[in-house]
Amino acid sequence: DQQVKQNSPSLSVQEGRISILNCDYTNSMFDYFLWYKKYPAEGPTFLISISSIKDKNEDGRFTVFLNKSAKHLSLHIVPSQPGDSAVYFCAALGGGSNYKLTFGKGTLLTVNP
Amino acid sequence: GAGVSQSPRYKVAKRGQDVALRCDPISGHVSLFWYQQALGQGPEFLTYFQNEAQLDKSGLPSDRFFAERPEGSVSTLKIQRTQQEDSAVYLCASSLGVGAGGNETQYFGPGTRLLVL
Repeated sequence: DQQVKQNSPSLSVQEGRISILNCDYTNSMFDYFLWYKKYPAEGPTFLISISSIKDKNEDGRFTVFLNKSAKHLSLHIVPSQPGDSAVYFCAALGGGSNYKLTFGKGTLLTVNP
Repeated sequence: GAGVSQSPRYKVAKRGQDVALRCDPISGHVSLFWYQQALGQGPEFLTYFQNEAQLDKSGLPSDRFFAERPEGSVSTLKIQRTQQEDSAVYLCASSLGVGAGGNETQYFGPGTRLLVL
């Protein structure tokens, strides 16, 4: 069973607009969440993270929001740029492990010029 | 500075053949991880090393999969008697310390794409 779910396989937005990528999780023991970005033929690259004791973390154009009661997190990218076009993976830590990342299936973001 | 490197980048194997996949982590990184990414899926954890010690191999799908890191640096993932369901991208990651939260970011290599015919 998928403990981390990214229900949108793809998302297309216009350059300059906001991109919102969503992620849901089922394991209430997860206590740390990460977003990774992946370009074709490259490995995932860490983007931003958030601890379960926070509800928001911001880094430049990227903001992650966490709603623990809903077991939901989202990544906001604003303004979106064509170079942001990639697959974005949501990942979670915890549930007895502080090193084993549990990933979602990913969302392909396309930012159109 | 060099990142995590993996070789070969692509491997085609005939069913039943043994394969060995190599990972060179970032120098000085204590932790090393292997993940398997099937087509259309996210990476799935296979195994974890802290220096030369394999502390967790709970994700290895069968006893045909074997990983080692004898000197606490380079790691090899070996798959014996490959099957078609082994076709996937095998990702290696390393982190400076223990764990993956906080400052212990896992840095991923480009992966080895394995195709078993």
